[in-house]
Amino acid sequence: GENVEQHPSTLSVQEGDSAVIKCTYSDSASNYFPWYKQELGKRPQLIIDIRSNVGEKKDQRIAVTLNKTAKHFSLHITETQPEDSAVYFCAADQTSGTYKYIFGTGTRLKVLA
Amino acid sequence: DTGVSQNPRHKITKRGQNVTFRCDPISEHNRLYWYRQTLGQGPEFLTYFQNEAQLEKSRLLSDRFSAERPKGSFSTLEIQRTEQGDSAMYLCASSLGGLTGELFFGEGSRLTVL
Repeated sequence: GENVEQHPSTLSVQEGDSAVIKCTYSDSASNYFPWYKQELGKRPQLIIDIRSNVGEKKDQRIAVTLNKTAKHFSLHITETQPEDSAVYFCAADQTSGTYKYIFGTGTRLKVLA
Repeated sequence: DTGVSQNPRHKITKRGQNVTFRCDPISEHNRLYWYRQTLGQGPEFLTYFQNEAQLEKSRLLSDRFSAERPKGSFSTLEIQRTEQGDSAMYLCASSLGGLTGELFFGEGSRLTVL
């Protein structure tokens, strides 16, 4: 079955710096890769997603890149702000179209003011 | 709030007791998912419904777990004969299905088994 690995598990950056979180997946049939942000004690919320027919997607300060050949994808946050502090989860769609995700183990991002 | 709602938010029970959680999805969403999340881990898929049909259950889901979505609206997740290893946050999510992949999560039901 699908397996998603996520690194690093914790990440501290200075406010204004960039943060990069990386994930790898095992199932080459996966074709949808969302990123969720979970603030402390709150529900996970989608922040950006990418499909396998696209190599990069950007939304303001957030971007995601996908390398299908290497089976890895990354989240990039530029100009980080304290409110970016949260746990970020990557995920892969295990079976095309069901959105039955396999999540990574999460990255706790701390933005230092 | 028209988002996904779950109750109870917290449940403390003794080992061996049965517990039931309820999830009310966003009204127009035909897909409903149950995930389990333990501390320091990502959500783990348990099962999902398309309308009232339960389409898949994780192999991790033992026979003590059962989920229903009787009229394609709200869903219940029952855990029988709870064990300490069942302690976790149980997250419900719903989606429109089709071309959109976004899952809208509820705030979860935290289960503590003593």
